[in-house]
Amino acid sequence: GAVVSQHPSWVICKSGTSVKIECRSLDFQATTMFWYRQFPKQSLMLMATSNEGSKATYEQGVEKDKFLINHASLTLSTLTVTSAHPEDSSFYICSARGDNGANVLTFGAGSRLTVL
Amino acid sequence: QKEVEQNSGPLSVPEGAIASLNCTYSDRGSQSFFWYRQYSGKSPELIMSIYSNGDKEDGRFTAQLNKASQYVSLLIRDSQPSDSATYLCAGTPSGSARQLTFGSGTQLTVLP
Repeated sequence: GAVVSQHPSWVICKSGTSVKIECRSLDFQATTMFWYRQFPKQSLMLMATSNEGSKATYEQGVEKDKFLINHASLTLSTLTVTSAHPEDSSFYICSARGDNGANVLTFGAGSRLTVL
Repeated sequence: QKEVEQNSGPLSVPEGAIASLNCTYSDRGSQSFFWYRQYSGKSPELIMSIYSNGDKEDGRFTAQLNKASQYVSLLIRDSQPSDSATYLCAGTPSGSARQLTFGSGTQLTVLP
């Protein structure tokens, strides 16, 4: 089945630094990946849609200059949180659809970011 | 109005009982619906998908879809303590078959 690997699983950083999160599709090619953010006791909120070889599509209210997304290959998308601040502390989850045509999202394990 | 709404709960049921989770959606053009289970600190995992009106059963889980009423539900029979988690209802917005809109989730606790 479709497997999505995400790392790091958790990261602690100082305010003002940048953090990169990687999302890889291990056994399939993903032309599109999705990045979600989840605050405690809240649901998943779509941040952006990552398209291989082109610019990401950001949801309203998500700063594209702060959350840099790169999807340089069919199996790898990265999210970089630039100049992180404590309010960016959250659970970031990537997902992708398998290339078998099924309309099912597979999620990575998530990355918990804590900004001090 | 949220596009996908769920009762936030928490919902508690005794072990062995039927847990009923409900979800309504506002986008009448939505075609695909999913139930995900999320344990605390973990990412969601797919439980059921449903695309047509009616019931779909998979083991102890039954998903129900009523497009006329814009209603999706998940029944968990013979609930087990290991079923305790947050259950997320999700739908595919019309015009965007590649995205999902999630409800806020219902926290279920199965009491031993």
